[in-house]
Amino acid sequence: DQQVKQNSPSLSVQEGRISILNCDYTNSMFDYFLWYKKYPAEGPTFLISISSIKDKNEDGRFTVFLNKSAKHLSLHIVPSQPGDSAVYFCAASDPNTGNQFYFGTGTSLTVIP
Amino acid sequence: DTGVSQDPRHKITKRGQNVTFRCDPISEHNRLYWYRQTLGQGPEFLTYFQNEAQLEKSRLLSDRFSAERPKGSFSTLEIQRTEQGDSAMYLCASSLVVGGYNEQFFGPGTRLTVL
Repeated sequence: DQQVKQNSPSLSVQEGRISILNCDYTNSMFDYFLWYKKYPAEGPTFLISISSIKDKNEDGRFTVFLNKSAKHLSLHIVPSQPGDSAVYFCAASDPNTGNQFYFGTGTSLTVIP
Repeated sequence: DTGVSQDPRHKITKRGQNVTFRCDPISEHNRLYWYRQTLGQGPEFLTYFQNEAQLEKSRLLSDRFSAERPKGSFSTLEIQRTEQGDSAMYLCASSLVVGGYNEQFFGPGTRLTVL
């Protein structure tokens, strides 16, 4: 049962424009959400996180939005840069299961110069 | 380099052989996690340790899988009698949990190929 879903396997964006990556979840017990970025042959790298008590968190070009009622989060990258091209995973943490992370299937972002 | 390290980076083995992977977490981190990632999927949680205690192992894929963290530092993941379906990337992550939220820092992974 996939509790975290990323329904867009890929996304292409022009350099300088906004990239919006989406993630949906089903478990209302999730209280912490993260985005990871992954390059080929490397492990995922932490990007940004948000707790369930907030609806927005911003870090430089990266902003994560959380809509708890819709069980939806999104990552906005503005402006997009070619170096942002990677696979992005959203993850959610359930405090009732030792904060283990549940990952989505990833969205491959390509930023076109 | 004070990140999470994993050894080996690649392992090719024949079906039926046993394999063991090692993970060295960030030194001050008290939690260590193992994940498996197959092609086109996100990382799938397997097990985790709080210091040397293994607090969750029900998600290990079968009784052929076992993990240890004997002194609360490095950890090993062993797969006995490997099968072709075990071919995947095995990721280790660590975190410092002092209450509240924590991000996990991942190692580069060990890619296992079972022939």
